[in-house]
Amino acid sequence: QKEVEQDPGPLSVPEGAIVSLNCTYSNSAFQYFMWYRQYSRKGPELLMYTYSSGNKEDGRFTAQVDKSSKYISLFIRDSQPSDSATYLCAMSMDSNYQLIWGAGTKLIIKP
Amino acid sequence: DAGITQSPRHKVTETGTPVTLRCHQTENHRYMYWYRQDPGHGLRLIHYSYGVKDTDKGEVSDGYSVSRSKTEDFLLTLESATSSQTSVYFCAISEETGNTEAFFGQGTRLTVV
Repeated sequence: QKEVEQDPGPLSVPEGAIVSLNCTYSNSAFQYFMWYRQYSRKGPELLMYTYSSGNKEDGRFTAQVDKSSKYISLFIRDSQPSDSATYLCAMSMDSNYQLIWGAGTKLIIKP
Repeated sequence: DAGITQSPRHKVTETGTPVTLRCHQTENHRYMYWYRQDPGHGLRLIHYSYGVKDTDKGEVSDGYSVSRSKTEDFLLTLESATSSQTSVYFCAISEETGNTEAFFGQGTRLTVV
């Protein structure tokens, strides 16, 4: 079993829908949680960063961390075709450890 | 955009030949990483560096070596390329490790025939 599990998709939704992307993990020591967005044939770029539990909102994007369930989510409101990309979750225990990556979920927003 | 340049961007090579990929940064970040990305596996860490001449192995280091002789350059060498090393290779940089943002290059698409 991988340390971080992420459904590869693809997830296809109509424009304007609310999108929910999720990762589960097995290591209860993870404290830093990140979501990266990767457009086709590009490198990943950081989208959201959360430390420990709770929610974080940035425009149309909300990141949630539920450490009791070992589950993190990324919500996208009012989804746009430009949101079509692969979304990767990544997490780490602390500054002395490397990031552990999910496999990525491919998201398609249909106009 | 973070100043990271990978070269070459595309390469086709024959099985058994050595191949070197280069990553150059202009951000003076301490940490540099080489990842490979394959369908179904996401990003897998090959090697990383935490300073000049300071490197360590990642999850999938077999068949790869690295060198960092200057802060700005991190080289990845496939000592004898195999078809299983056909992949997209990404270089990344960060100021610290697991708790800070990693900035990625554009990737190198390597095909071993």
